Amino acid sequence: DTGVSQDPRHKITKRGQNVTFRCDPISEHNRLYWYRQTLGQGPEFLTYFQNEAQLEKSRLLSDRFSAERPKGSFSTLEIQRTEQGDSAMYLCASTQSSGANVLTFGAGSRLTVL
Amino acid sequence: GESVGLHLPTLSVQEGDNSIINCAYSNSASDYFIWYKQESGKGPQFIIDIRSNMDKRQGQRVTVLLNKTVKHLSLQIAATQPGDSAVYFCAETGGSYIPTFGRGTSLIVHP
Repeated sequence: DTGVSQDPRHKITKRGQNVTFRCDPISEHNRLYWYRQTLGQGPEFLTYFQNEAQLEKSRLLSDRFSAERPKGSFSTLEIQRTEQGDSAMYLCASTQSSGANVLTFGAGSRLTVL
Repeated sequence: GESVGLHLPTLSVQEGDNSIINCAYSNSASDYFIWYKQESGKGPQFIIDIRSNMDKRQGQRVTVLLNKTVKHLSLQIAATQPGDSAVYFCAETGGSYIPTFGRGTSLIVHP
């Protein structure tokens, strides 16, 4: 297992376009998290899944954001009608619910909205 | 509101010195704390954790101290090396499965 994988690593888009990020967690991890990180700040929680169920969503997750984890394995985060304020690093992390809640993070997907 | 924060945004040290990075938290329900290290272009990586029933935990070259009375957490790095240069975050989990991160401290190690 190569850890948590995120794709794409970088995405540049024009305002108003839709973008989708993919996360492949560590295979035996049943919890998957999405965080957003802007320059000089810590990661901010967006949402998390246990298996395929989305258990919590932050108020940061506006109706333009949607996340799925259809088979309890990989997850996608879609942002519709992107705005310049969406520019950030989107981090995915996974963990096993039976252990300590230590997150293993991917390298992130950096979004730049022009 | 509840928050996790750091006292110093940047810490510069000489190679070989000991480093201390501090973190304050305000959620009295927090029962589990983790320090993460984030290098440029990478996601945060686990360093060390501590539960609220402990006040000290040691790892390899790192020690975490927890003072629940003043809601303060610190990370001590012994014999700091250039490879320790990174941003360090404390994260707390209290009553949920959602780690909350502080702003972070940038550690710069000068050779």
